[in-house]
Amino acid sequence: AQSVTQLGSHVSVSEGALVLLRCNYSSSVPPYLFWYVQYPNQGLQLLLKYTSAATLVKGINGFEAEFKKSETSFHLTKPSAHMSDAAEYFCAVTLLTGGFKTIFGAGTRLFVKA
Amino acid sequence: NAGVTQTPKFQVLKTGQSMTLQCAQDMNHNSMYWYRQDPGMGLRLIYYSASEGTTDKGEVPNGYNVSRLNKREFSLRLESAAPSQTSVYFCASSGTGGASGELFFGEGSRLTVL
Repeated sequence: AQSVTQLGSHVSVSEGALVLLRCNYSSSVPPYLFWYVQYPNQGLQLLLKYTSAATLVKGINGFEAEFKKSETSFHLTKPSAHMSDAAEYFCAVTLLTGGFKTIFGAGTRLFVKA
Repeated sequence: NAGVTQTPKFQVLKTGQSMTLQCAQDMNHNSMYWYRQDPGMGLRLIYYSASEGTTDKGEVPNGYNVSRLNKREFSLRLESAAPSQTSVYFCASSGTGGASGELFFGEGSRLTVL
């Protein structure tokens, strides 16, 4: 069974500091991995995705994530936080079975302090 | 380009009432999904439709029914609403046939059951 674990329901950083949001997955086969971002009162939008082409994936707004198969991790990072990064972030795993069924983690809310 | 459109955006029901959430996408996607989002639980898959004419249960299907009316539209019905169904509901769609499995989300429908 697939599952996604996000460590930390809330993360707080200062503006300009490193952002690190953790995600571990369990999968019997190499998955597609995603990070989505949700701003208040909006739907989710794709931040970046891993599809086996490269282990270091770059996304929008300066975010990147590294796929580590040995650790079954797909942590999200950004070198320097901006106030506009405050949002909720979801890690997700997609199975390529009958319609790309996607399972989400519980989410991590990022707070950015001035 | 509208993407994924959900209606209504807000609804208040009394216990036992029924209602249908409507979803339409204009991206010619084969797969469509209904998720519910609850605090601290991320997004949980209710039902999905891999292609026109097919529907399958997700993680939390009890109390819901769906209809894939055509390739564009996928509706979610609550036959007898319960307070436990108070949530924010998201419709999403994705392409298939070599696509990444990226999900495109609507803006959500906030449902309160009294």
